[in-house]
Amino acid sequence: AQTVTQSQPEMSVQEAETVTLSCTYDTSESDYYLFWYKQPPSRQMILVIRQEAYKQQNATENRFSVNFQKAAKSFSLKISDSQLGDAAMYFCAYRTNSGNTPLVFGKGTRLSVIA
Amino acid sequence: DSGVTQTPKHLITATGQRVTLRCSPRSGDLSVYWYQQSLDQGLQFLIQYYNGEERAKGNILERFSAQQFPDLHSELNLSSLELGDSALYFCASSPSSYNSPLHFGNGTRLTVT
Repeated sequence: AQTVTQSQPEMSVQEAETVTLSCTYDTSESDYYLFWYKQPPSRQMILVIRQEAYKQQNATENRFSVNFQKAAKSFSLKISDSQLGDAAMYFCAYRTNSGNTPLVFGKGTRLSVIA
Repeated sequence: DSGVTQTPKHLITATGQRVTLRCSPRSGDLSVYWYQQSLDQGLQFLIQYYNGEERAKGNILERFSAQQFPDLHSELNLSSLELGDSALYFCASSPSSYNSPLHFGNGTRLTVT
């Protein structure tokens, strides 16, 4: 079974600084998708960024970028120029490319942003 | 706004009772997923439906059941409720394409007293 591990339960970053959240996963599949979701205090689940495993280029979305290391099964999220609104729980998630499969989530990393 | 609608937003009920949570997926999405999030925990996958048929089952208790109707909305039924069932229940939807992310509703907060 696929598993997703986020080894940092909590992280903090100074406003305007850069922070990296770690995620590793375990799978025997070669074709899959990885996602980062943000859950602010409102408890909404907001998609931040996604990465297709067959793409070597790391995904970026404005201040958010990933470092995808397929061989190491690592998928970290980098947040640049951190803002107070970035404070949230961040969940890493995995999905196989086998048709309408559910997302498997890690336990999350709580990010605090210090003004 | 994700386009996924969940009702009610909050639900308070007593142990032993039964409740129904409702979800309307985004327009055009055929798949519906249910997740449970207990306090300060990750999201646990419960069950998935695709175009009215059950597609995958996760850690769903026998006291819980779900279905997806012809109009594609879904309901999650929770019966013989226990204190430990108190959680945030999310519904998510996705199109038929496999490479699409899941879009989540705002969740239903269930409190069992």
